[in-house]
Amino acid sequence: GENVEQHPSTLSVQEGDSAVIKCTYSDSASNYFPWYKQELGKRPQLIIDIRSNVGEKKDQRIAVTLNKTAKHFSLHITETQPEDSAVYFCAAIISGGGADGLTFGKGTHLIIQP
Amino acid sequence: NAGVTQTPKFQVLKTGQSMTLQCAQDMNHEYMSWYRQDPGMGLRLIHYSVGAGITDQGEVPNGYNVSRSTTEDFPLRLLSAAPSQTSVYFCASRLHRDRAYEQYFGPGTRLTVT
Repeated sequence: GENVEQHPSTLSVQEGDSAVIKCTYSDSASNYFPWYKQELGKRPQLIIDIRSNVGEKKDQRIAVTLNKTAKHFSLHITETQPEDSAVYFCAAIISGGGADGLTFGKGTHLIIQP
Repeated sequence: NAGVTQTPKFQVLKTGQSMTLQCAQDMNHEYMSWYRQDPGMGLRLIHYSVGAGITDQGEVPNGYNVSRSTTEDFPLRLLSAAPSQTSVYFCASRLHRDRAYEQYFGPGTRLTVT
């Protein structure tokens, strides 16, 4: 089955700086890669996603890049703000291929230092 | 729409007790699933259902049972609770098994087994 590795497990950045979280996946058939943000005590919320036919996607201060050859994808947050502090999870799935569960990375705790 | 709802929010069980975690959605989603979240482990798939009357095992199914008698409800049963089942449980749903990009999570149930 699919295996997703996520790094780093903890990331501390100064407010206003950029943050980058990286994930690798094992199954080359995976074609959908979402990122979830989870605030303390809350449910995971989808913040951005990318499909395998696209190399990059942006939404205001967040962006995701995908390298299918190397089987890795990254989340980029620019101009970080205190409300960006949370745990971020990447995931992978073969959407439309019959695979049924998202395979998640173990999460990155992002800490924004004032 | 209420979206995905879960009850209870918190539960404490003694080892050997049984209980059912409730999950319901009002979006007419075919696909529903249960994840458990443990510190440093991300979210792991327990069981899933692609429609009423159809269920299957995920990555960590041992000790749990599910059934899907209606489209709306997908309860998770702990048959004989063990301390290793202490976790936060999330139910999730999406319109169809192939529509991974529209997956929504419930608010979670925090379970402690003593």
